[in-house]
Amino acid sequence: RKEVEQDPGPFNVPEGATVAFNCTYSNSASQSFFWYRQDCRKEPKLLMSVYSSGNEDGRFTAQLNRASQYISLLIRDSKLSDSATYLCVVNGGGSTLGRLYFGRGTQLTVWP
Amino acid sequence: DTAVSQTPKYLVTQMGNDKSIKCEQNLGHDTMYWYKQDSKKFLKIMFSYNNKELIINETVPNRFSPKSPDKAHLNLHINSLELGDSAVYFCASSQGVSGGADTQYFGPGTRLTVL
Repeated sequence: RKEVEQDPGPFNVPEGATVAFNCTYSNSASQSFFWYRQDCRKEPKLLMSVYSSGNEDGRFTAQLNRASQYISLLIRDSKLSDSATYLCVVNGGGSTLGRLYFGRGTQLTVWP
Repeated sequence: DTAVSQTPKYLVTQMGNDKSIKCEQNLGHDTMYWYKQDSKKFLKIMFSYNNKELIINETVPNRFSPKSPDKAHLNLHINSLELGDSAVYFCASSQGVSGGADTQYFGPGTRLTVL
C-alpha cells in the first residue's frame, strides 16, 4: 500500500472553474502535510502547507481531516497558469520521521 | 542565483557504466536529499544527509553511493548502471532534519537515460 494515494486525474477544466483534488495517507503518525506543484519537466515546488484548521492562500484552499487521513486542495477561478501536476505530500511519522512521501500527482489542465 | 543546482541536466549512458551527478545549494541549509522520479512519476526519497552525515538511507541498491564533502554539496555516484536506473534524479535541501516542518527546495533535476 502506498503511503500517499492520490486522485490521478487528469482534470481538464475551463478557465474560471473550481476544481478539487484529494488524497489519503496511510501513516496516522504523520504530522506535516503539503501540496507541491510540478510543472512539466520541472522540479516540484511548494504550493502550500496544510494545517489542521484548514488554510487559504488566495484562490487555493487546503483542508486536512486527520480522522479520515484525508487532504484536499480546492482551486477557485482557475487560470491557464494553474496547469500543472499537483503533488500531495506527507511527512513520515514515528520511525519514518524526516521522510517526505509524495503522491503520484494529479494532472490539471486549464483550457481557455 | 540558483538556490539548488544540479549537473548535468541530462545524462545518456550505456549499461554497465559508472556516472556521477553533482548537487550544490547556496541556501545555507543543513540537510540535503536525493530523490528518484521514475517513469510513473512517483517521487521517492533515496538518501538524506545532515551536516555531511547520512541520516536517511532508503532501500536503494548499493550501486548508489552518495557523498557529501560539505553541507552545501551532495553528490550521487552510480556504479554499473542498469536500464531500470533511467529516471529523473532530484536533489533537494531543507533547513532542518525533520523533513516535515521545513520546506524542501528542489534542484532542476538530472534526466538519466541508460541505453
